[in-house]
Amino acid sequence: SQQGEEDPQALSIQEGENATMNCSYKTSINNLQWYRQNSGRGLVHLILIRSNEREKHSGRLRVTLDTSKKSSSLLITASRAADTASYFCATVLMDSSYKLIFGSGTRLLVRP
Amino acid sequence: DVKVTQSSRYLVKRTGEKVFLECVQDMDHENMFWYRQDPGLGLRLIYFSYDVKMKEKGDIPEGYSVSREKKERFSLILESASTNQTSMYLCASSLSVRVGAFFGQGTRLTVV
Repeated sequence: SQQGEEDPQALSIQEGENATMNCSYKTSINNLQWYRQNSGRGLVHLILIRSNEREKHSGRLRVTLDTSKKSSSLLITASRAADTASYFCATVLMDSSYKLIFGSGTRLLVRP
Repeated sequence: DVKVTQSSRYLVKRTGEKVFLECVQDMDHENMFWYRQDPGLGLRLIYFSYDVKMKEKGDIPEGYSVSREKKERFSLILESASTNQTSMYLCASSLSVRVGAFFGQGTRLTVV
C-alpha cells in the first residue's frame, strides 16, 4: 500500500488563486519531499522538509509538516497557468534511509 | 546540472521478450531508483541501489531484476515481458535521500 496519499486527487483553480494540496503518510519519516511532473515527463524536485521542521518556503511555494498528524501540505500562491502539472509527495522513512516512496499525486489545472 | 538519461523514450516489445531499460547519471550519485507509474497509482518503487553492485527490492519487484555494475548506470531487466508490465518507467538518482532526487524523462513501455 502507498506510504503517501495526496488529497485532493484533482484540483482546478483560476490563475492568480492559491492552490493547496495535502499529503498524509503512515509511518515515521526522516523527511518529506514534493515533486512536480508535467504531462508525460519526468519529475522535478521542488522542496524538502525535514521531520524536525514545521514550515519551509521557496519562492511561491510553502510547505508545512505536522508529524503528530502525519501530514504535509503544499501551498502554491498566486498560481499561473504554467503551474498546471501533477504534484507528488514522497517520503523517506525513518527506518530505511535509502527508500524514497511516492504517493498517488494531485493533478492541478490552473485556468488562464 | 545533473542529467539522468534513460536509453529510450518509447519502447514496444513482445510478450516473453527479455527487455533492458538503461539509466545513466552523470553526477556520481550513490543512490539510483527505478519506478513504474500507472494512472491512479502514482509512482511505485521497483528496485533501488545505494552503491555499486548493491540492490534492494522496492514494493513491486516481482518480474523485474536490476544490475548496477558501474556507479553511473542502473539497468532494469524484465526477464520475460508480460502485458501487465506495460507502463511508464522512471529512473532517478540522488546523492542522498536527504536531498532531492533527479529524474530521467521516462520510458513508456508497451508490451504486446
